[in-house]
This record gives sequence, C-alpha cells and structure tokens, in this order.
Amino acid sequence: DTGVSQDPRHKITKRGQNVTFRCDPISEHNRLYWYRQTLGQGPEFLTYFQNEAQLEKSRLLSDRFSAERPKGSFSTLEIQRTEQGDSAMYLCASSSDDPVYTYEQYFGPGTRLTVT
Amino acid sequence: RKEVEQDPGPFNVPEGATVAFNCTYSNSASQSFFWYRQDCRKEPKLLMSVYSSGNEDGRFTAQLNRASQYISLLIRDSKLSDSATYLCVAMGGKLIFGQGTELSVKP
Repeated sequence: DTGVSQDPRHKITKRGQNVTFRCDPISEHNRLYWYRQTLGQGPEFLTYFQNEAQLEKSRLLSDRFSAERPKGSFSTLEIQRTEQGDSAMYLCASSSDDPVYTYEQYFGPGTRLTVT
Repeated sequence: RKEVEQDPGPFNVPEGATVAFNCTYSNSASQSFFWYRQDCRKEPKLLMSVYSSGNEDGRFTAQLNRASQYISLLIRDSKLSDSATYLCVAMGGKLIFGQGTELSVKP
C-alpha cells in the first residue's frame, strides 16, 4: 500500500501523559499536513511541512503540541500533558508541492486519541 | 464565525432523488474551492474541484459564485453509495474545511 499511513490507529491515555503519533506520507510528496477532527466537525488545520521545514502553524497548536519532520519524510506529532479536550481524530495528509496539485491532499486513516 | 459554513443536515433522501448542498465562505481572498467526501469513520477524499463556470462529473455538479461567496454541490439520481458526509473546502494557502453535510440515501 503506497498511501499515507499513520500509527497508532487508536490511542487511549490518561490525562497528563505525553503521546506521540507518526505519519508516513506518500513517498514522492513534499508537503505534509496535520489536522484535528472532532465529532460532527470538519478537519481543522494544525500545521504543515514543506520537506523538513515547518511553514505554518495554526493558533490551535498550543505550546503542548509539537510536530517534526526531521528528514523530510515521516513526521511526528507530540502532545505533552494531554487534556480531555485533546480527544479527537488526528489526521495526516500529504500532497505534491506542484501549485497545480497542492489542493489534492491524500489523507491517512487517522489516529483516534481518547484522553481519560 | 467559521470561515466555511455548511448546513450540517442530515439530509435523508430516497434513492433517485436530487439533492443540493450549499456552502458559504467568509474569506474573499480564498483562491480555490473543492468538495471532499468522507465516509463514516474514514478519511476525507477529494470529490471534485469547483469553478465559477461550473464543474460537472457524472451525476455531480459543483458551482461557485464569487460575488456571493457561495458554493454548491448538486447530486442527481442519488444512489445508496452516495451516503456520506460532504465537506466544502476553501483554499488560500491551506485547506479550510466546513463542518460537513451528512447525506443518507434510503432505498
């Protein structure tokens, strides 16, 4: 399967714990995006990378959130000191950086986080 | 106010019906617009782009009115397999999603 993959698919954690999610984009895609989606809402943009450079971060991304893409391939999203409000589906997407195709983002299956 | 707003539905229609979804956007600087489809507990997937001149793909027609900042999606002869959530998306650098409109097509 050469699509976007995410790991883990589900994570249950206790409030205050740190969690880390991984995303592997489509190999030829330079752009990688993180979104958060809660029930009944559309995905909300968190941040995106062009190769290893983090080019934009949403105001939704508090200081407890950090994302990296160290070698321009896979990316990690870490949430420190989790809160119950962090419970959501975390989606990763990738796209080409060709301006003609950047809108066509391919999403991974997501990591569902539950904070108890 | 959300940047992209949609009627959340749900829209419950019989097979064969025609159904229309509407969407408004607030950022006049948005450059491009799209409809994504999301099946239950699945990831969103691009359905089609939206142009001012209209865009038709089989039973699906999308339309953009820049003056009114309004986007529409029309589905004709709806099928059971069309049941999903339809996400209106504006792009101005990054994708901004509406909350989605849920469609349920019944036999």
